[in-house]
Amino acid sequence: QSALTQPASVSGSPGQSITISCTGSSSDVGGYNYVSWYQQHPGKAPKLMIYDVNSRPSGVSNRFSGSKSGNTASLTISGLQAEDEADYYCCSYAGDSTWVFGGGTKLTV
Amino acid sequence: QVQLVESGGGVVHPGGSPRLSCVASGFSFSNYDMHWVRQAPGKGLEWVAFIRSDESYKHYADSVKDRFTISRDNSKNTLFLQMKSLRGDDTAMYYCAKYHGSGSSDAFDIWGQGTMVTISS
Repeated sequence: QSALTQPASVSGSPGQSITISCTGSSSDVGGYNYVSWYQQHPGKAPKLMIYDVNSRPSGVSNRFSGSKSGNTASLTISGLQAEDEADYYCCSYAGDSTWVFGGGTKLTV
Repeated sequence: QVQLVESGGGVVHPGGSPRLSCVASGFSFSNYDMHWVRQAPGKGLEWVAFIRSDESYKHYADSVKDRFTISRDNSKNTLFLQMKSLRGDDTAMYYCAKYHGSGSSDAFDIWGQGTMVTISS
């Protein structure tokens, strides 16, 4: 199982919007509407931010949104805040009870 | 509150066989599928293993197949990962994660704080 492709880093200023891409294949991202996104601050456990491509868990800010087109999923964060600075990982179901993560993107605010 | 607490990590010799544990609280553990996910130092997340709520089905990443065994004790709200034939690239933080999935949904919605396994002679 090959890791999904994410940009190594993205940056934005407070108040701006940024988008992180996550590219896979028709065997994972393109084949299922099961893409999730996780936020990880240094030394902390990952936190679920988006699931099923564009659903937000209770308690996650509506500044976070997800989408998908073909084999590429995207996470958009609007109204950037300092606390959004973290690593972000996408994940996709890849069939046959396997899952694959992206390599991670470091967001600098 | 909903919580997962891992233990069992430490420094292990190459070829060692530690067993990791993950104790769940705050939710009905026996009703949920569970996963192990790992993260090598400075690297990204890697899915490791999956187990159904009733232990009827298990599946592993190719990188650990035939070396790791996932299991659970629903009477003790505990998830396990038995590791063997460890090698250097198994050095990682190991997280247990609760699965929010129902055939129409998919996510790892609760994560533990992780337990670090370091392979070193």
